[in-house]
Amino acid sequence: QSALTQPRSVSGSPGQSVTISCTGTSSDVGGYNFVSWYQHHPGKAPKLLIYDVNKRPSGVPDRFSGSKSGNTASLTISGLRAEDEADYYCCSYAGISTHVVFGGGTKLTVL
Amino acid sequence: QVQLQQSGPGLVKPSQTLSLTCAISGDSVSSVSVAWNWIRQSPSRGLEWLGRTYYRSKWYNDYAVSVKSRITINPDTSKNQFSLQLNSVTPEDTAVYYCVRDGRPMGLFDYWGLGTLVTVSS
Repeated sequence: QSALTQPRSVSGSPGQSVTISCTGTSSDVGGYNFVSWYQHHPGKAPKLLIYDVNKRPSGVPDRFSGSKSGNTASLTISGLRAEDEADYYCCSYAGISTHVVFGGGTKLTVL
Repeated sequence: QVQLQQSGPGLVKPSQTLSLTCAISGDSVSSVSVAWNWIRQSPSRGLEWLGRTYYRSKWYNDYAVSVKSRITINPDTSKNQFSLQLNSVTPEDTAVYYCVRDGRPMGLFDYWGLGTLVTVSS
């Protein structure tokens, strides 16, 4: 069982927007602004998409955005493209003892 | 561009030791602004952070509580790499193991290795 809860799957058509939620507790998501999101195409290395809740590393399109409200973080992908079809994972800092926790992953299908 | 190249066996017998190495290019294992981590992924446990090593005037290690009694992560400055040893493995340790750089050690995993599938089976 993963510490952070994500929907197992979401889907959308090309050009549409989808939002993936990531629910934790006040000890992780709600307690720190250190939420990150990763895109994982099977067989490849996971890729950092978002860090510090809503910051994008250079090279990540602005179609990817992050937000947080209380104990729930969200990743929104707008203008869906076929290449966005992948697994998406959230991660949160959870304090000195635990360090970080991950979500169980969400499979995005582009219809 | 940072690259992480993993190596190690893909099959380990129960009760034995899992050993993996991660060679770093484009950065230094002794860099004082990053940390070097091992993370694994399995269908039953999802992504799980295992531990890290980092240098801040001296070497530090942090380990996940779930594996703390069985894990060792060591840097090797002569080869610019770091390693994972997990003792007394069981089939529950079957997973894809990733070596990962944390670019700002509060969980900013910016570079990942390709992963090594390690199966624990007799």
